[in-house]
Amino acid sequence: EVQLLESGGGLVQPGGSLRLSCAASGFTFSSYVMSWVRQAPGKGLEWVSAISGSGSGGSTYYADSVKGRFTVSRDNSKNTLFLQMNSLRADDTALYYCAKDTCTDTSCYCDYWGQGTLVTVSS
Amino acid sequence: DIQMTQSPSTLSASVGDRVTITCRASQSISTWLAWYQQKPGKAPKLLIYKASSLESGVPSRFSGSGSGTEFTLTISSLQPDDFAAYYCQQYKSYPLTFGGGTKVEIK
Repeated sequence: EVQLLESGGGLVQPGGSLRLSCAASGFTFSSYVMSWVRQAPGKGLEWVSAISGSGSGGSTYYADSVKGRFTVSRDNSKNTLFLQMNSLRADDTALYYCAKDTCTDTSCYCDYWGQGTLVTVSS
Repeated sequence: DIQMTQSPSTLSASVGDRVTITCRASQSISTWLAWYQQKPGKAPKLLIYKASSLESGVPSRFSGSGSGTEFTLTISSLQPDDFAAYYCQQYKSYPLTFGGGTKVEIK
Protein backbone atom coordinates (compact mmCIF):
# COMPACT_ATOMS: atom_id res chain seq x y z
CA GLU A 1 0.00 0.00 0.00
CA VAL A 2 1.35 3.39 -1.02
CA GLN A 3 1.80 5.71 1.95
CA LEU A 4 3.02 9.30 1.94
CA LEU A 5 3.55 11.16 5.20
CA GLU A 6 4.39 14.86 5.14
CA SER A 7 6.02 16.74 8.00
CA GLY A 8 7.83 19.98 8.71
CA GLY A 9 5.02 22.47 8.43
CA GLY A 10 4.43 25.22 10.96
CA LEU A 11 4.27 28.94 11.59
CA VAL A 12 7.05 31.05 10.06
CA GLN A 13 7.56 34.78 9.69
CA PRO A 14 7.59 36.46 6.28
CA GLY A 15 11.05 36.14 4.75
CA GLY A 16 11.76 32.99 6.73
CA SER A 17 12.54 29.45 5.66
CA LEU A 18 11.04 26.03 6.20
CA ARG A 19 11.91 22.53 5.01
CA LEU A 20 9.14 20.05 4.33
CA SER A 21 9.67 16.29 4.23
CA CYS A 22 7.61 13.46 2.80
CA ALA A 23 8.33 9.89 3.88
CA ALA A 24 7.23 7.39 1.25
CA SER A 25 6.55 3.66 1.48
CA GLY A 26 4.79 0.88 -0.38
CA PHE A 27 6.44 1.47 -3.77
CA THR A 28 9.90 1.72 -5.34
CA PHE A 29 10.42 5.38 -4.43
CA SER A 30 13.51 5.97 -6.56
CA SER A 31 11.69 5.01 -9.76
CA TYR A 32 8.94 7.59 -9.58
CA VAL A 33 8.50 11.27 -10.20
CA MET A 34 7.30 13.00 -7.06
CA SER A 35 5.37 16.26 -6.77
CA TRP A 36 4.39 18.93 -4.27
CA VAL A 37 0.94 20.48 -4.59
CA ARG A 38 -0.47 23.14 -2.27
CA GLN A 39 -3.89 24.43 -1.33
CA ALA A 40 -4.41 27.79 0.32
CA PRO A 41 -7.20 27.89 2.91
CA GLY A 42 -10.57 27.68 1.17
CA LYS A 43 -8.95 27.76 -2.28
CA GLY A 44 -8.18 25.34 -5.09
CA LEU A 45 -5.17 23.17 -5.86
CA GLU A 46 -1.89 24.65 -7.10
CA TRP A 47 0.95 22.48 -8.40
CA VAL A 48 4.25 23.65 -6.89
CA SER A 49 7.13 21.44 -7.96
CA ALA A 50 8.21 18.02 -9.20
CA ILE A 51 11.39 15.97 -9.31
CA SER A 52 12.10 13.06 -11.60
CA GLY A 53 13.18 9.61 -10.51
CA SER A 54 16.69 8.23 -10.45
CA GLY A 55 16.50 7.12 -14.06
CA SER A 56 16.06 10.67 -15.31
CA GLY A 57 18.87 12.37 -13.45
CA GLY A 58 16.72 14.11 -10.86
CA SER A 59 15.33 16.81 -13.15
CA THR A 60 13.32 19.43 -11.32
CA TYR A 61 10.33 21.55 -12.28
CA TYR A 62 8.73 24.56 -10.57
CA ALA A 63 5.69 26.78 -10.74
CA ASP A 64 6.57 30.36 -11.64
CA SER A 65 5.23 31.49 -8.26
CA VAL A 66 7.96 29.61 -6.36
CA LYS A 67 10.84 29.50 -8.85
CA GLY A 68 14.03 30.81 -7.29
CA ARG A 69 12.65 30.51 -3.75
CA PHE A 70 11.78 26.81 -3.39
CA THR A 71 14.03 23.81 -4.04
CA VAL A 72 12.80 20.24 -4.39
CA SER A 73 15.12 17.33 -3.67
CA ARG A 74 14.99 13.68 -2.72
CA ASP A 75 16.99 11.10 -0.80
CA ASN A 76 16.31 7.78 -2.48
CA SER A 77 18.27 5.89 0.19
CA LYS A 78 15.75 7.12 2.78
CA ASN A 79 12.65 7.15 0.54
CA THR A 80 12.15 10.79 1.39
CA LEU A 81 11.12 13.84 -0.63
CA PHE A 82 11.97 17.38 0.47
CA LEU A 83 10.85 20.91 -0.26
CA GLN A 84 13.16 23.70 0.92
CA MET A 85 11.18 26.92 1.07
CA ASN A 86 13.03 30.23 1.39
CA SER A 87 11.91 33.86 1.31
CA LEU A 88 8.45 32.83 2.38
CA ARG A 89 5.54 35.17 1.79
CA ALA A 90 2.04 35.38 3.19
CA ASP A 91 0.63 33.96 -0.04
CA ASP A 92 2.67 30.78 0.49
CA THR A 93 0.32 29.94 3.39
CA ALA A 94 -1.26 26.63 2.43
CA LEU A 95 -1.62 22.94 3.08
CA TYR A 96 1.26 21.28 1.22
CA TYR A 97 0.65 17.83 -0.24
CA CYS A 98 3.25 15.36 -1.36
CA ALA A 99 2.18 13.18 -4.29
CA LYS A 100 3.48 10.18 -6.20
CA ASP A 101 3.22 10.59 -9.96
CA THR A 102 2.53 8.32 -12.88
CA CYS A 103 4.08 9.58 -16.10
CA THR A 104 3.51 9.62 -19.82
CA ASP A 105 6.19 10.55 -22.33
CA THR A 106 5.62 14.23 -21.70
CA SER A 107 4.39 14.77 -18.17
CA CYS A 108 2.87 13.26 -15.08
CA TYR A 109 -0.31 13.16 -13.03
CA CYS A 110 -0.59 12.52 -9.29
CA ASP A 111 -2.02 9.11 -8.49
CA TYR A 112 -1.38 8.99 -4.73
CA TRP A 113 -1.44 11.85 -2.24
CA GLY A 114 -0.38 12.34 1.36
CA GLN A 115 -2.58 14.07 3.92
CA GLY A 116 -0.63 17.31 3.82
CA THR A 117 1.32 19.55 6.19
CA LEU A 118 0.20 23.09 6.97
CA VAL A 119 2.50 26.05 6.40
CA THR A 120 1.44 29.40 7.83
CA VAL A 121 3.44 32.52 6.97
CA SER A 122 2.57 35.33 9.33
CA SER A 123 4.19 37.85 11.64
CA ASP B 1 1.57 28.18 -19.28
CA ILE B 2 -1.61 26.27 -20.07
CA GLN B 3 -4.67 27.73 -18.34
CA MET B 4 -7.51 25.44 -17.25
CA THR B 5 -11.04 26.78 -16.79
CA GLN B 6 -13.73 24.75 -15.07
CA SER B 7 -17.46 25.36 -15.05
CA PRO B 8 -19.62 25.69 -13.14
CA SER B 9 -17.80 26.67 -9.97
CA THR B 10 -20.71 25.38 -7.89
CA LEU B 11 -23.38 22.88 -8.81
CA SER B 12 -26.47 21.97 -6.77
CA ALA B 13 -27.90 18.54 -7.49
CA SER B 14 -29.95 15.76 -5.95
CA VAL B 15 -29.16 12.11 -5.37
CA GLY B 16 -29.77 10.24 -8.62
CA ASP B 17 -29.13 13.25 -10.87
CA ARG B 18 -26.82 13.10 -13.86
CA VAL B 19 -24.08 15.67 -13.35
CA THR B 20 -21.67 17.12 -15.90
CA ILE B 21 -18.63 19.30 -15.20
CA THR B 22 -16.72 21.02 -17.98
CA CYS B 23 -13.03 21.81 -18.22
CA ARG B 24 -11.45 23.91 -20.97
CA ALA B 25 -7.75 24.23 -21.76
CA SER B 26 -6.21 27.41 -23.21
CA GLN B 27 -4.45 25.30 -25.83
CA SER B 28 -4.67 21.75 -27.06
CA ILE B 29 -3.58 19.16 -24.53
CA SER B 30 -4.63 16.10 -26.55
CA THR B 31 -6.01 13.76 -23.86
CA TRP B 32 -3.45 14.60 -21.16
CA LEU B 33 -6.08 15.43 -18.57
CA ALA B 34 -6.83 14.08 -15.10
CA TRP B 35 -9.83 14.53 -12.80
CA TYR B 36 -9.65 14.52 -9.01
CA GLN B 37 -12.25 14.40 -6.25
CA GLN B 38 -11.65 16.14 -2.93
CA LYS B 39 -13.83 15.85 0.15
CA PRO B 40 -13.61 18.39 3.00
CA GLY B 41 -10.50 17.89 5.13
CA LYS B 42 -9.19 15.13 2.87
CA ALA B 43 -6.50 14.82 0.23
CA PRO B 44 -7.52 14.78 -3.44
CA LYS B 45 -8.23 11.40 -4.99
CA LEU B 46 -7.53 10.51 -8.61
CA LEU B 47 -10.67 9.56 -10.52
CA ILE B 48 -9.74 9.66 -14.20
CA TYR B 49 -6.53 9.99 -16.23
CA LYS B 50 -5.87 10.41 -19.94
CA ALA B 51 -9.24 12.14 -20.18
CA SER B 52 -11.35 8.97 -20.06
CA SER B 53 -9.45 6.17 -18.28
CA LEU B 54 -11.04 5.23 -14.96
CA GLU B 55 -8.60 4.80 -12.09
CA SER B 56 -8.75 1.39 -10.43
CA GLY B 57 -11.40 1.19 -7.74
CA VAL B 58 -13.36 4.22 -8.92
CA PRO B 59 -17.09 3.50 -9.44
CA SER B 60 -18.25 3.17 -13.02
CA ARG B 61 -20.79 5.97 -12.59
CA PHE B 62 -17.85 8.33 -13.14
CA SER B 63 -16.76 8.88 -16.72
CA GLY B 64 -14.63 11.36 -18.61
CA SER B 65 -14.56 12.45 -22.21
CA GLY B 66 -13.02 15.00 -24.54
CA SER B 67 -9.80 15.84 -26.30
CA GLY B 68 -7.95 18.92 -27.45
CA THR B 69 -9.36 21.78 -25.38
CA GLU B 70 -12.79 20.59 -24.21
CA PHE B 71 -13.36 17.95 -21.54
CA THR B 72 -16.19 16.72 -19.37
CA LEU B 73 -16.55 14.71 -16.20
CA THR B 74 -19.92 13.00 -15.87
CA ILE B 75 -21.46 11.31 -12.86
CA SER B 76 -24.30 9.21 -14.24
CA SER B 77 -26.31 8.92 -11.03
CA LEU B 78 -25.16 11.11 -8.16
CA GLN B 79 -24.68 9.26 -4.87
CA PRO B 80 -24.46 10.73 -1.33
CA ASP B 81 -20.72 9.96 -1.29
CA ASP B 82 -20.17 12.10 -4.41
CA PHE B 83 -20.85 15.49 -2.82
CA ALA B 84 -17.36 16.96 -2.99
CA ALA B 85 -15.12 19.27 -4.99
CA TYR B 86 -13.79 18.18 -8.37
CA TYR B 87 -10.68 19.44 -10.15
CA CYS B 88 -9.28 18.91 -13.61
CA GLN B 89 -5.53 19.03 -14.27
CA GLN B 90 -3.57 19.15 -17.50
CA TYR B 91 -0.36 17.18 -17.70
CA LYS B 92 0.66 17.85 -21.26
CA SER B 93 3.55 19.98 -20.04
CA TYR B 94 5.12 21.61 -17.01
CA PRO B 95 4.07 23.63 -15.14
CA LEU B 96 1.13 21.38 -14.42
CA THR B 97 -2.06 23.38 -13.96
CA PHE B 98 -5.40 22.74 -12.29
CA GLY B 99 -8.82 24.09 -13.00
CA GLY B 100 -10.40 26.27 -10.34
CA GLY B 101 -12.62 23.47 -9.09
CA THR B 102 -16.32 22.61 -9.04
CA LYS B 103 -18.13 22.11 -5.76
CA VAL B 104 -21.04 19.67 -6.01
CA GLU B 105 -23.59 20.49 -3.33
CA ILE B 106 -26.80 18.89 -2.15
CA LYS B 107 -29.87 20.53 -3.64
